[in-house]
Amino acid sequence: GDSVTQMEGPVTLSEEAFLTINCTYTATGYPSLFWYVQYPGEGLQLLLKATKADDKGSNKGFEATYRKETTSFHLEKGSVQVSDSAVYFCALIDLTGRRALTFGSGTRLQVQP
Amino acid sequence: DVKVTQSSRYLVKRTGEKVFLECVQDMDHENMFWYRQDPGLGLRLIYFSYDVKMKEKGDIPEGYSVSREKKERFSLILESASTNQTSMYLCASTRSWAGIAYEQYFGPGTRLTVT
Repeated sequence: GDSVTQMEGPVTLSEEAFLTINCTYTATGYPSLFWYVQYPGEGLQLLLKATKADDKGSNKGFEATYRKETTSFHLEKGSVQVSDSAVYFCALIDLTGRRALTFGSGTRLQVQP
Repeated sequence: DVKVTQSSRYLVKRTGEKVFLECVQDMDHENMFWYRQDPGLGLRLIYFSYDVKMKEKGDIPEGYSVSREKKERFSLILESASTNQTSMYLCASTRSWAGIAYEQYFGPGTRLTVT
């Protein structure tokens, strides 16, 4: 079945540091890929998405590129802020199969001032 | 502003009780989902529904059932609560597929403790 693997956290960075959170996937079909973010005490919200190979999703300074050859969708940000502290989830959906998201285990990011 | 609401933020129940978790969305979405979130495991799909009175099992349906009598409401039922069902429960909804992966909108979650 489909699966998503994320780097374990927590990731602790100083403000203005560069962020990378690794995400790789396995899927039988041609999935769409997502990053969701969960701020403390809140539900998940979509951060960005990409639906085909080489697409780059971007939002709020975060970026991720759909790499079919390496089955990866790594999340990056050039300069993190304290307000970026949250849990980040990589996810995929394969619309030719089960019509529901498959999530990774989540990566907690802590940004220190 | 789109909204998915869940009936309780925090719930404490005793082992063996029947528990109802309610989810309501105001976006006229066809698809609704129930997940549980546990540290180190991410979100795991319990059940989902793509139409009124329709349901499909997710990855961990054992010990749970669901009900969708109206389009906007999707209920998760724990028939006989057990301590291993202590978790955060998240509801989500999204538009119908038509070959496009639409965004899922999530509720704030219900933290259920079974003692």
